[in-house]
Amino acid sequence: GAVVSQHPSWVICKSGTSVKIECRSLDFQATTMFWYRQFPKQSLMLMATSNEGSKATYEQGVEKDKFLINHASLTLSTLTVTSAHPEDSSFYICSARVHLPGDQPQHFGDGTRLSIL
Amino acid sequence: SQQGEEDPQALSIQEGENATMNCSYKTSINNLQWYRQNSGRGLVHLILIRSNEREKHSGRLRVTLDTSKKSSSLLITASRAADTASYFCASRAGGTSYGKLTFGQGTILTVHP
Repeated sequence: GAVVSQHPSWVICKSGTSVKIECRSLDFQATTMFWYRQFPKQSLMLMATSNEGSKATYEQGVEKDKFLINHASLTLSTLTVTSAHPEDSSFYICSARVHLPGDQPQHFGDGTRLSIL
Repeated sequence: SQQGEEDPQALSIQEGENATMNCSYKTSINNLQWYRQNSGRGLVHLILIRSNEREKHSGRLRVTLDTSKKSSSLLITASRAADTASYFCASRAGGTSYGKLTFGQGTILTVHP
């Protein structure tokens, strides 16, 4: 089945640091990838939709300059949390969808737990 | 805000019992999907039901969809301790197969051995 690899799985860093999270589709091409944020015991909140070769589409309330998304190839999208602060601490999850006609499920990475001190 | 509402928010059962989770949504959908999330992990796709389908089975899973009531249910039969996880429904808006998914609030299922 389709596999999505997300790295790193866990990051602890100081306030003010920028953190990059990678999301790779290992055995399929993903023209579209999605970035979610999840707080403890809550649902997933879509942050942005990443399209290969074009600018990401951000959801309302998500700061574009704070959460930089790059989708430079059909198998890689990155999320950079710039100048991270403690309130950015969260669980970030990416997912990708196989670009085929018809209904297709989304395949998720294992998430990145980000802790800002 | 999340479109989907799920109930119950938490469900605790004994191994061997059946677990039923419900999901409601607000707008017309193209399809509805159920995902499972183990603690601290990503989501795993369980089953997809299209808007023109009413029921679907996959192993011990049974999903129903009632578009007139904008609701779906997930039944896990003969539950196992390994089924302990959070379960989310997610809907894709009508008119598109490529649109974003909107997730429900989730049901935390605990199966006691």
